[in-house]
Amino acid sequence: DVKVTQSSRYLVKRTGEKVFLECVQDMDHENMFWYRQDPGLGLRLIYFSYDVKMKEKGDIPEGYSVSREKKERFSLILESASTNQTSMYLCASSLGGPGANYGYTFGSGTRLTVV
Amino acid sequence: KNEVEQSPQNLTAQEGEFITINCSYSVGISALHWLQQHPGGGIVSLFMLSSGKKKHGRLIATINIQEKHSSLHITASHPRDSAVYICAVTAVWGGGADGLTFGKGTHLIIQP
Repeated sequence: DVKVTQSSRYLVKRTGEKVFLECVQDMDHENMFWYRQDPGLGLRLIYFSYDVKMKEKGDIPEGYSVSREKKERFSLILESASTNQTSMYLCASSLGGPGANYGYTFGSGTRLTVV
Repeated sequence: KNEVEQSPQNLTAQEGEFITINCSYSVGISALHWLQQHPGGGIVSLFMLSSGKKKHGRLIATINIQEKHSSLHITASHPRDSAVYICAVTAVWGGGADGLTFGKGTHLIIQP
């Protein structure tokens, strides 16, 4: 069964800490995405990557960075966590290629609380 | 940037009822996705479509490209259908990977 695995289901961190959220997919997908989901705002794209070592900013990249050293792994980094980054974080992946329309596979989400 | 609007935001219905959730978007797309999210859970992709109609079990999704509108229907609804249903669109291909633009979701409750 193909899947996207997020390393933590729940996470509590202190303000100012450096936080790593890990995402691994086993489908050999080119594209990987990080979203955050907040009540009333829906899902918003933070960063995405269409290849190893490639990254693109999404709609709300401020306060975040990403790393994709291997095709299967896409990490989201909060350099200095703040309370307004308390949210549900969802990772997703899809096949890539120009003009392609492929479905997305989502992870189970990481609920991050910054105190 | 595409705007994706869903209606209704909240819907409560009785078991067995026919359910319709609507989605409209503002600019051209390459694909539209219907997603399902159960409380506390991850997101499951139900459909991806770029034209016409798709059916899977009791779920039917339709899209009208000219009107920039899609509907998700649930026939013979059941309490286990209770979830948040999210419409999302993929922009017309611009030469690189692109993420989804999401609607805010429709919170569906089916009462026994």
